[in-house]
Amino acid sequence: EAQVTQNPRYLITVTGKKLTVTCSQNMNHEYMSWYRQDPGLGLRQIYYSMNVEVTDKGDVPEGYKVSRKEKRNFPLILESPSPNQTSLYFCASGTREYNEQFFGPGTRLTVL
Amino acid sequence: GNSVTQMEGPVTLSEEAFLTINCTYTATGYPSLFWYVQYPGEGLQLLLKATKADDKGSNKGFEATYRKETTSFHLEKGSVQVSDSAVYFCALRLCAGGTSYGKLTFGQGTILTVHP
Repeated sequence: EAQVTQNPRYLITVTGKKLTVTCSQNMNHEYMSWYRQDPGLGLRQIYYSMNVEVTDKGDVPEGYKVSRKEKRNFPLILESPSPNQTSLYFCASGTREYNEQFFGPGTRLTVL
Repeated sequence: GNSVTQMEGPVTLSEEAFLTINCTYTATGYPSLFWYVQYPGEGLQLLLKATKADDKGSNKGFEATYRKETTSFHLEKGSVQVSDSAVYFCALRLCAGGTSYGKLTFGQGTILTVHP
């Protein structure tokens, strides 16, 4: 089954404790992206990747890191999480034409 | 910059009512337009899309027409069902060749609740 998977689905952590949210897709897509969803703001792009070893900042990259060492994986790293990073996070992937992006189920992160 | 504005929700309707969710956009260049739907506890799914002016996207009884003259992409359905209750997002993507191609710019989302 073609899908984007994220882990964990739910995470509660404390300020400053490094964490990684994994994202994996099995559709051989070049393009992958991370978004955060906040009430009243819709989804905002954090980082994206056009292909392996090619990443770039989106609209709200502060406090986040990413890597793209393999085509299928695109982890999101929070080196020192803060409460303002409490949000719902979505990973997405798409074809070169980008006419459709496929979204993962989401990761709900709470930073205390 | 690019932006998408959706009508404010939440929207509450009775089953079989007519639905319209307004969406207007601002973009430099020629965007593709999308409607995504998010059911409770799930990720976003593409509902329909249109890639050029006057195109009509349709799926599951929903329709939206790309209106370049009014920069709009309103979502409509003639008869909603309880199972349509979800959050609906309008989004745009610049065509390939722009510096930000691939990125989706989303509206704030509209919560739809349909009662029996």
